[in-house]
Amino acid sequence: ETGVTQTPRHLVMGMTNKKSLKCEQHLGHNAMYWYKQSAKKPLELMFVYSLEERVENNSVPSRFSPECPNSSHLFLHLHTLQPEDSALYLCASSQDSGTGTYNEQFFGPGTRLTVL
Amino acid sequence: RKEVEQDPGPFNVPEGATVAFNCTYSNSASQSFFWYRQDCRKEPKLLMSVYSSGNEDGRFTAQLNRASQYISLLIRDSKLSDSATYLCVVNMPGYSTLTFGKGTMLLVSP
Repeated sequence: ETGVTQTPRHLVMGMTNKKSLKCEQHLGHNAMYWYKQSAKKPLELMFVYSLEERVENNSVPSRFSPECPNSSHLFLHLHTLQPEDSALYLCASSQDSGTGTYNEQFFGPGTRLTVL
Repeated sequence: RKEVEQDPGPFNVPEGATVAFNCTYSNSASQSFFWYRQDCRKEPKLLMSVYSSGNEDGRFTAQLNRASQYISLLIRDSKLSDSATYLCVVNMPGYSTLTFGKGTMLLVSP
């Protein structure tokens, strides 16, 4: 596998279900991100992990819970979601240089989530 | 203030046309600039980085104007396959990640 992979690619869940999205990066990067993109809307940053530490949480509801067990893997645990949470969830990774300049992010193909 | 602004479009152009997009950013201390492309229902992909001296990649030219705080993307000889949303991406000092603009939609017609 190369680049950034995400599973599952499609997910349909009820509001009472618990599911997890998985992201894996094969690029040797040290930072990973979760974004949400609703239909015809811009990207919304959800969470940022750098060196496996969460460094940003953009006021995301607690029904979304991220986990970063190591620098290559990122999970998004979902619980008691609402229909308005239906969206494309994108994972990305980058190499954080820590010098004030930022390297480009590489995205996975996304998980298309539908909440019924 | 965390802000990257783009004209959402759509820009409708015929094949072969030249089209240009601008993107303004709010923080004069920003150092990293990129253009991404996003096709419908797909993930964003890096199109090109933007360097201080300007850079070109085939039909695509990117420019940075620090004095006026904008970057531009010029596409020459547009192809049907160029139809996509083009995202302007900038680092905002004080934030731990890049900031994505809302994108400019380009539609190239035969």
